[in-house]
This record gives sequence, C-alpha cells and structure tokens, in this order.
Amino acid sequence: NAGVTQTPKFQVLKTGQSMTLQCAQDMNHNSMYWYRQDPGMGLRLIYYSASEGTTDKGEVPNGYNVSRLNKREFSLRLESAAPSQTSVYFCASSEARSGANVLTFGAGSRLTVL
Amino acid sequence: GDSVTQMEGPVTLSEEAFLTINCTYTATGYPSLFWYVQYPGEGLQLLLKATKADDKGSNKGFEATYRKETTSFHLEKGSVQVSDSAVYFCALKTDSWGKLQFGAGTQVVVTP
Repeated sequence: NAGVTQTPKFQVLKTGQSMTLQCAQDMNHNSMYWYRQDPGMGLRLIYYSASEGTTDKGEVPNGYNVSRLNKREFSLRLESAAPSQTSVYFCASSEARSGANVLTFGAGSRLTVL
Repeated sequence: GDSVTQMEGPVTLSEEAFLTINCTYTATGYPSLFWYVQYPGEGLQLLLKATKADDKGSNKGFEATYRKETTSFHLEKGSVQVSDSAVYFCALKTDSWGKLQFGAGTQVVVTP
C-alpha cells in the first residue's frame, strides 16, 4: 500500500548547491508529475511525464530538470539551488488515460534554501 | 488560460456548523472538476470529483455540484467535525494528459 513515495522528507541547502528529489510509485501509473506548493499560490506544476520516456515542462520549470528513469520513478533535480526554490514539493502519479483523471500524491518534500 | 479561484481562508467554524467553500473557474472546453484535501503534514488526497455539467460529487458528507452556467463547483458539508480541519483545494483538468490546475487552497479550522 505504498502508493507514491518521496525522499527526502526534509532538506536544507545552501544557495548554489544541487540536489535530487526522488519519487517512486507502485501503482503501475503511466503519468507522473512534480508540483511545488507555496503559501497563497496553491500547487503549481513544474514538470510532468505523460508516459515512460517523455517529459514536458509545466507552469514553472525554470531552475529544474527531471528524469523519468523508468515507469516507476521520476526524479526532480535542482542544479544550483536558489532561495526562491524554498518550497514544499509534491510528486504525483495517475493513470491519465482514464476519463476523470485522479492524481495520487506523495507526502511531500520540504526544501529550504538558505 | 485556465484558472481556478477559491475563497481565501482561514475559515474558522464550530463543530456541527455548515461549511461552504466557494470555487469558480475559467476554462476553455469542458473541464473535469475536483476537490482535494490536505490534512496537516500529509499530501493531497482526492475528496470528490465531477466530470460534466450538473454532476454532483460526494464523499464523507461533502458535496459539490458542477454548475456550468455559473462556472462554479462550491464545496459544502452540513455538519463539520474537528477531523475536517484541513486545507481544501479546488482543481480542474482540461487536457487528456491529466494535468491539474489548482486553486490557492482554503484552510478550514474546526473548533470543538
């Protein structure tokens, strides 16, 4: 019953450092997503992967890269972290071919950039 | 572009009070509409959904009706409990790949 698993749960970085957020799902979903959550702004889509082997930019992709490693895993990389990337990051997955697409979310990763 | 507007919070209620959270949307085409809930320290989880006009989604005592004429999807619950304290997000989906557009979220605090 794992669903969507994200690591790490918490991370503190200094400006300019790099890190990768990991995400894995065990529901055999085709599509995966990375969102960031900021106060008063809801969730904004960073990148998504409609299916294994494809990735596309979302609303706020600048400063991030992603890798769809296989059907289960979708990682988010910050090459040179900036204070503006302080946020809570959520990974999600879905069986996008279904009519009313339902996203399953991970528990989130709280990132602070000093 | 597509957008979702929901009422600002926090909304503070006493237990057994009636809850309404307003949500309106702007979208091309015919979106599917969702309410997600986020309990403290957790990720979002689907609360209810509606895929076409006049559909009513319901779950755990919450209801929302897809009103195309007013482009709204207001969330209601007749008698809230302390356990309903959470942040509620309205969202819409317009494309076939399932990307969701979220509102800013409304924090609900229910006191005993």
